[in-house]
Amino acid sequence: QSALTQPRSVSGSPGQSVTISCTGTSSDVGGYKYVSWYQQHPGKAPKLMIYDVSKRPSGVPDRFSGSKSGNTASLTISGLQAEDEADYYCCSYAGSYTWVFGGGTKLTVL
Amino acid sequence: QVQLVESGGGVVQPGRSLRLSCAASGFTFSGYGMHWVRQPPGKGLEWVAVVSDDGTNKYYADSVKGRFTISRDNSKNTLYLQMNSLRTEDTAVYYCAKEPTFYFDNWGQGTLVTVSS
Repeated sequence: QSALTQPRSVSGSPGQSVTISCTGTSSDVGGYKYVSWYQQHPGKAPKLMIYDVSKRPSGVPDRFSGSKSGNTASLTISGLQAEDEADYYCCSYAGSYTWVFGGGTKLTVL
Repeated sequence: QVQLVESGGGVVQPGRSLRLSCAASGFTFSGYGMHWVRQPPGKGLEWVAVVSDDGTNKYYADSVKGRFTISRDNSKNTLYLQMNSLRTEDTAVYYCAKEPTFYFDNWGQGTLVTVSS
């Protein structure tokens, strides 16, 4: 149950696009179509942004998109806005009814 | 509107026990698996445990296996986490979360557990 690997921080200017990677193994990210992404503002609970690799819950802007290739999943945020500044966590089902999170990425909107 | 409200956090000495609760409303509680996820201060999220919709199946992270017990009372729409033999490294905000299928669509506001002598 080792944590998935995410960059500690990424940044971008308003209107730009950023991509956050999430690297696991064939036992988690690479083995299932069950990668999800969560946004967390300081002092708040996490919020679901992407599930099943690339599906967006209702209410989440289409600026947020997800993908996966092999053992690495990615979250792309296009048209960056100030309110996107937050911590982002990936999560993958890891088999045997266990889940694993990434270490988190701090997104700074310059 | 889905609502999850955790309670039961506080300060506890190492080796002691604590029970957390999560009161659910706004959805058919008995129809969903439920999870506990924790976050140490200033650190990332860690999955802790899951209980199936009917309460019969329970699974744990290695870091808490044998010390924590997840359970639920569907008649009271409440999820529980019994934490025994607490360690300083268990200090965290504990969130309950609802699982449709392999992801967490609703989270509570969290309850802080501090393990310290």
